[in-house]
Parts: sequence; C-alpha cells; structure tokens
Amino acid sequence: AQTVTQSQPEMSVQEAETVTLSCTYDTSESDYYLFWYKQPPSRQMILVIRQEAYKQQNATENRFSVNFQKAAKSFSLKISDSQLGDAAMYFCAYRRTNTGGFKTIFGAGTRLFVKA
Amino acid sequence: ETGVTQSPTHLIKTRGQQVTLRCSSQSGHNTVSWYQQALGQGPQFIFQYYREEENGRGNFPPRFSGLQFPNYSSELNVNALELDDSALYLCASNVGTSGYNEQFFGPGTRLTVL
Repeated sequence: AQTVTQSQPEMSVQEAETVTLSCTYDTSESDYYLFWYKQPPSRQMILVIRQEAYKQQNATENRFSVNFQKAAKSFSLKISDSQLGDAAMYFCAYRRTNTGGFKTIFGAGTRLFVKA
Repeated sequence: ETGVTQSPTHLIKTRGQQVTLRCSSQSGHNTVSWYQQALGQGPQFIFQYYREEENGRGNFPPRFSGLQFPNYSSELNVNALELDDSALYLCASNVGTSGYNEQFFGPGTRLTVL
C-alpha cells in the first residue's frame, strides 16, 4: 500500500525568507502524481503545485517549487520569499495514475508559521 | 463561477444516529470525491462519484454511502454513527477522471458525534 510521510509536524519561517517542507512516499508504481495542498485556517484546501512522476523536471509555480527525487521517493516543497499569507497546513499527497478514481493518499501535514 | 459548497457547516449527532451531508460541485464538474479529515490528520479518501456512479472507494465500511445527482451534486450518508466518525468531511469536485486534474475542495462539514 502507498504511504506518504511528512516528518515535520511544524515549521517556522521569517517573512521574506525561504523554507522547505519535506515529504517522502512509498509506492511500487512507476507512474503516479504528487501534489502539495495548502489548507489555511479557514479550512478550504487549495492546490499549490503538482508533479507527474514521469517528468524529471521539477514543477514550479511562482514562489513555490518542488525538489522531486524519484529514486529516493522524496518530494519536498520550497517556498521562497515567504509571506504572512503562506501560514497554513501543508499536505503532501500521492495519487496513482491508473486508479479507479481520485483515491488520494495524504500525509499528516506540516503546519507552517510565518513570523513578521 | 461558483465554487464547491457544502452544508451544513457544523453538525452535532449522537452515537447510533444517521447523518446526511451535502455537496454542490463547481459548475461544469462531473466528478465528486469525499474525504474524512480527523483532527490533526490529513484527509482520508472515502469514495468518488463520476456521472452518478461510484468510481472508487477507500477503506471505509458500508455504513458510509453516497449519491450523486444528475446535476452532479452529491450526498454522503453515514449510518450508525460512532464516536470515531467525528471529523471534518470534505467534498472535492473536478472534471473527468484523470488523476492529474485539479480537485477543488469545499470548506467542509464539521461533524461531532457525542
């Protein structure tokens, strides 16, 4: 069975600094999707960034980028120029490509605090 | 464009009761998924509906059931409530069944079972 592990329950970063959130996963599949989701205190979860496993190039979305290491089964999220609005729970998630549906495996999350 | 909405926002039930949670998907979305998020944990996939048919299920017992209507809105029903069912229930919608498609989440329904 696939698992997703986020080993940092909490992280803290100074405004305008850079922070990296860690994620490892376990799977026997060769093709899959990986995601980072943000859940602000208001609870509505939003997609931050996604990566297709067959693509070697790391995904980037503005201040957010990932370091995808397929052999190591690692998928970390880097947030550059941190802003107060980045404070939230961040979830790493895994999804198979050939699953019957959107069965997504989420990690336990990392709470990010941003200090002014 | 209206996003994903859920009702009610909060709900308190007692053990053994039944509950129905509702979700209106984003306009144009024909796939709805339900997740259970216990306090301090990540969401767990319950099931998904695509064009009114169940199209994937997680490790939840049969007392968790659902429906999707022709307008693609959805219901989650939970029978014989247990204390461990207390959680935030999230609904997410998207177009089609490709796993790469972006899912849009609702704000959730907070269920408390006493």
